[in-house]
Amino acid sequence: NAGVTQTPKFQVLKTGQSMTLQCAQDMNHEYMSWYRQDPGMGLRLIHYSVGAGITDQGEVPNGYNVSRSTTEDFPLRLLSAAPSQTSVYFCASSSQGQPQHFGDGTRLSIL
Amino acid sequence: KNEVEQSPQNLTAQEGEFITINCSYSVGISALHWLQQHPGGGIVSLFMLSSGKKKHGRLIATINIQEKHSSLHITASHPRDSAVYICAVNYWRGSQGNLIFGKGTKLSVKP
Repeated sequence: NAGVTQTPKFQVLKTGQSMTLQCAQDMNHEYMSWYRQDPGMGLRLIHYSVGAGITDQGEVPNGYNVSRSTTEDFPLRLLSAAPSQTSVYFCASSSQGQPQHFGDGTRLSIL
Repeated sequence: KNEVEQSPQNLTAQEGEFITINCSYSVGISALHWLQQHPGGGIVSLFMLSSGKKKHGRLIATINIQEKHSSLHITASHPRDSAVYICAVNYWRGSQGNLIFGKGTKLSVKP
C-alpha cells in the first residue's frame, strides 16, 4: 500500500516551459487536492477534486490546470512556468470524514 | 486575510516541558486538523476533530467550537517532537478536499 505518490521529487524548469506533476493514490479516496507551500505563506490550495470527473479551483489556481479522469490519479499541469511558481507542491487525498494523506512533495524551481 | 491564526509562530522548549500550541479561526467549520511537518518536508496528519478532545500518546488536541479555538498539547516533550505544527480547517460550507491552513508553529525541543 503506497499511499500518495508524487513524481517527480525535484524539478528545475525554465520560464515558459510546461510540465505535469503527477499524483497517484491507491486508497480509493474520493477527495484529492493540490497545495503549494511557500516560505511565510503556509500551505495554499491550488485545485481540488471530490471525485472522478469533478474538479474545482482553490485559493491560487491561476497558471495551473487539473483533471481527474480516474479515482487514482490527479495530475497538476503548469501551462507556462513562471518564477512565481517556484514552490514545494503537495498532493493529498482523503475519504469522507477521514484525515488527509499527503504525498512527500515536489520541489519545483523555475529559472 | 488570516482565517486561521496560530500562536506562537516559534517555540523553543527544554526536553520534558509541557507544550501548548494554539489555533483560532474565524468562520464555522466542519472539522479541524493538526498536522506535523518534519525537516525534510513530509506532512503527517496528527488529529482531525470536530468537537471535544482527542489523545494519541503524548499528544492531546482540544477544540472549543463556540470560541472557535483549538489547542495542541505535547506532554513530556522530546527532541524528536521538533517540527512545524500546522492547524488547518474545513469550512462547513466547503468540500472536505478544501483545507485552509495556518502558517504553522515551529517547535524546537532542546535536550
